[in-house]
Amino acid sequence: EIVMTQSPVTLSVSPGGRATLSCRASQSISTNLAWYQQKPGQAPRLLIYGASTRATGIPARFVGSGSGTEFTLSISSLQSEDSAVYFCQQFKGWHFGQGTRLEIK
Amino acid sequence: EVQVLESGGGLVQPGESLRLSCAASGFTFSNYPMSWVRQAPGKGLDWVSAITGSGVRYYAESVKGRFTTSRDNSRNTVYLQMDSLRVDDTAIYYCAKETPDGVAAVWGQGTLVTVSS
Repeated sequence: EIVMTQSPVTLSVSPGGRATLSCRASQSISTNLAWYQQKPGQAPRLLIYGASTRATGIPARFVGSGSGTEFTLSISSLQSEDSAVYFCQQFKGWHFGQGTRLEIK
Repeated sequence: EVQVLESGGGLVQPGESLRLSCAASGFTFSNYPMSWVRQAPGKGLDWVSAITGSGVRYYAESVKGRFTTSRDNSRNTVYLQMDSLRVDDTAIYYCAKETPDGVAAVWGQGTLVTVSS
């Protein structure tokens, strides 16, 4: 079974700044990676699939990169509305990472 | 607009059964796989099951033999039959429309299942 590990667990960044979230797969998953955003009390929302393709309506300041075992989600020009938990997922096998909580303050 | 809407959650005792439904609209339902993902209170996302448009089913080890996923393409609905429920099955259960590659592209708002004596 492929294990997805996200880091850091919590990240605190100032408004207008940049956040870098990491996701590591225990074995190569090519670019079969998606990122989801979940705000408190809401369902998850798809941000990125295929490691780097933004889903419909997702702003260009959300950038996904990586392949194989190392992946990154970068969010620039951070706004308060970006406060959320971000999950990565190896979607060919449905394995989720444990999430990174992003705080904007 | 593409939408999925779960229903059927509630409070049950350990060992009991519950059936969740997920009604879909805004797309050609039979063409897409659907999945169930759950989230225990304060925890992360835990994939439960998926079913292809033609009815091939996949399950997480933790629910295999207890949960059954099915779909009715004439009703645009997917179901999750949950038997022998345990306390650790307590969670919000989300239904999601997948892309052909298995990306959970559209999520419902979730339905809460509480297993407690």
